[in-house]
Amino acid sequence: NAGVTQTPKFQVLKTGQSMTLQCAQDMNHEYMSWYRQDPGMGLRLIHYSVGAGITDQGEVPNGYNVSRSTTEDFPLRLLSAAPSQTSVYFCASSSIHIDRGDGYTFGSGTRLTVV
Amino acid sequence: GNSVTQMEGPVTLSEEAFLTINCTYTATGYPSLFWYVQYPGEGLQLLLKATKADDKGSNKGFEATYRKETTSFHLEKGSVQVSDSAVYFCALSEGYSTLTFGKGTMLLVSP
Repeated sequence: NAGVTQTPKFQVLKTGQSMTLQCAQDMNHEYMSWYRQDPGMGLRLIHYSVGAGITDQGEVPNGYNVSRSTTEDFPLRLLSAAPSQTSVYFCASSSIHIDRGDGYTFGSGTRLTVV
Repeated sequence: GNSVTQMEGPVTLSEEAFLTINCTYTATGYPSLFWYVQYPGEGLQLLLKATKADDKGSNKGFEATYRKETTSFHLEKGSVQVSDSAVYFCALSEGYSTLTFGKGTMLLVSP
């Protein structure tokens, strides 16, 4: 089925470790973005991309890195994990023609725990 | 900057009761407005959207009208079901590349 695929679904890291959360979409969407969800905080934007080779920071970018070498993939890298990065991470994609479509499509999320 | 404010929960209702979840926004331009729903343990699903003033979005019995004069996009349903229990997020987008979310409102419906 078409959509946004995130891996892994669950991950436990030790403080200081690095890892990459994967996100792939097969809808040829131009826009992709990463959010983190914390209790009582809603979803907050980490980084986003408006096309291959173009990325920008969101509201809470510190400690995270992104790149977009292809339209389909938008990985999120944690450089040195900290307990404050314990959260649920969602990747989303959308078309520039959002008024004609269904809006943003979200992945199923990655639950990350940093100990 | 842009922001979204929605009523705090949890909202607790009996089955078949009327639901309203308030949402107001602040934006510099003319945003598109969305309601997303998150069922326990799942990701976010688009519930409805409106892209310009006075548009009404509707889906699965839920409705919301884009009110530019009051900068609001309140979610309503005439008769809730137990299966509607979830967290509801109001969100806006300008330029369509990203979303700004409210903090979410948990809805609990009892039989």
